[in-house]
Amino acid sequence: AQSVSQHNHHVILSEAASLELGCNYSYGGTVNLFWYVQYPGQHLQLLLKYFSGDPLVKGIKGFEAEFIKSKFSFNLRKPSVQWSDTAEYFCAVNADSGNTPLVFGKGTRLSVIA
Amino acid sequence: DGGITQSPKYLFRKEGQNVTLSCEQNLNHDAMYWYRQDPGQGLRLIYYSQIVNDFQKGDIAEGYSVSREKKESFPLTVTSAQKNPTAFYLCASSKTPSAQYFGPGTRLTVL
Repeated sequence: AQSVSQHNHHVILSEAASLELGCNYSYGGTVNLFWYVQYPGQHLQLLLKYFSGDPLVKGIKGFEAEFIKSKFSFNLRKPSVQWSDTAEYFCAVNADSGNTPLVFGKGTRLSVIA
Repeated sequence: DGGITQSPKYLFRKEGQNVTLSCEQNLNHDAMYWYRQDPGQGLRLIYYSQIVNDFQKGDIAEGYSVSREKKESFPLTVTSAQKNPTAFYLCASSKTPSAQYFGPGTRLTVL
């Protein structure tokens, strides 16, 4: 069975600090990888996705993630966070075979302080 | 507008009552999903359907039921057998190959 681990439950950063949120998955086959964000009071939105090709994926709002196959990792990064990035971030994976459900990590809450 | 709608936004239920949560999409997506979100637990899969008139149990299906009579609709019934139903319920849909897109959610509280 697939599983996803997000290493940090809660991260607190000052504005302009760099961000890296860890995500590791467990699955033996080919996978699709996703990062979703949930801003306070809003629904889940897709930040970025990886299906194949260049392992460095760029998403919305200046976020990027790098797929490292040998480490089963898909860490999310942003060079300089803003207060508006305060949200909960979820890493997710599904098998690369049709419309299979996503398996989510437990989420990382990011708080950005001025 | 294209998207996924869930209703109601907030729902209160007395113990022992069944309640049905609505999910509709006009994205022409084949697959639809129900997840439950609890604080610190991420999202857990309840049921999913890859095609009309077919659905599969997810990791936490006990106490829930679904139907998929139309491509656009995937209602979820929370039955009285669900021991801890108070949660935030999220519906999603997808079209191969693609990410899943989520509705705004329904917050269910059992009184």
